[in-house]
Amino acid sequence: QLQLQESGPGLVKPSETLSLTCTVSGGSITSGRYYWGWVRQPPGKGLEWLGSVYYNGITYYSQSLKSRVTVSGDTSKNQFSLKLSYVTAADTAVYYCARCPGFGGHFDNWGPGTLVTVSS
Amino acid sequence: DIQMTQSPSTLSASVGDRVTVTCRASENINVWLAWYQQKPGKAPKALIYKASSLESGVPSRFSGSGSGTEFTLTITSLQPDDFATYYCQQYNSYSTFGPGTKVEIK
Repeated sequence: QLQLQESGPGLVKPSETLSLTCTVSGGSITSGRYYWGWVRQPPGKGLEWLGSVYYNGITYYSQSLKSRVTVSGDTSKNQFSLKLSYVTAADTAVYYCARCPGFGGHFDNWGPGTLVTVSS
Repeated sequence: DIQMTQSPSTLSASVGDRVTVTCRASENINVWLAWYQQKPGKAPKALIYKASSLESGVPSRFSGSGSGTEFTLTITSLQPDDFATYYCQQYNSYSTFGPGTKVEIK
């Protein structure tokens, strides 16, 4: 059974870079059938897609965040990662990693999410 | 960017009711729309993809329809486990989520 688990610091200072990792178990990120992505949700608000990556390194990003977002994969560890630079309080959110069956598709499996707070 | 709207924002219903949530896109997204259910403190759960295809394991009381710019999620007989917030997502051009519809107990 596929499981995704986010990990990383729960507190990040303003102007610094938020870094999270998603560890995938019960399946391989090198499966050519899937992309792997990140979605966030500020407290009490809706969902926002950030970016996605294919196992061979192909990426695509939200147009509104593409200057600050980097998503990458590590096939040796069966993980993929998110980096969000120059964070502000507006980036405080629960961050989810998720699996996407195909380029530009929906998300059929999600991690439980991790809360990241941006504060000095 | 494609904008998504949902109506209503909140819906009060009783167990056994038929419930319909509407999602509209700012431009044609063909059938590239998904629906999710989210409960407090939990990750979203995929219900419907490609506008009307049911995810594996999702009860058949959930159904989706529509194409182009207008879509609906229907729950034919609301169950206690269905009280949650529902989001639509377009994936015709990148990805955008709707603002959500909260289904609460009447």
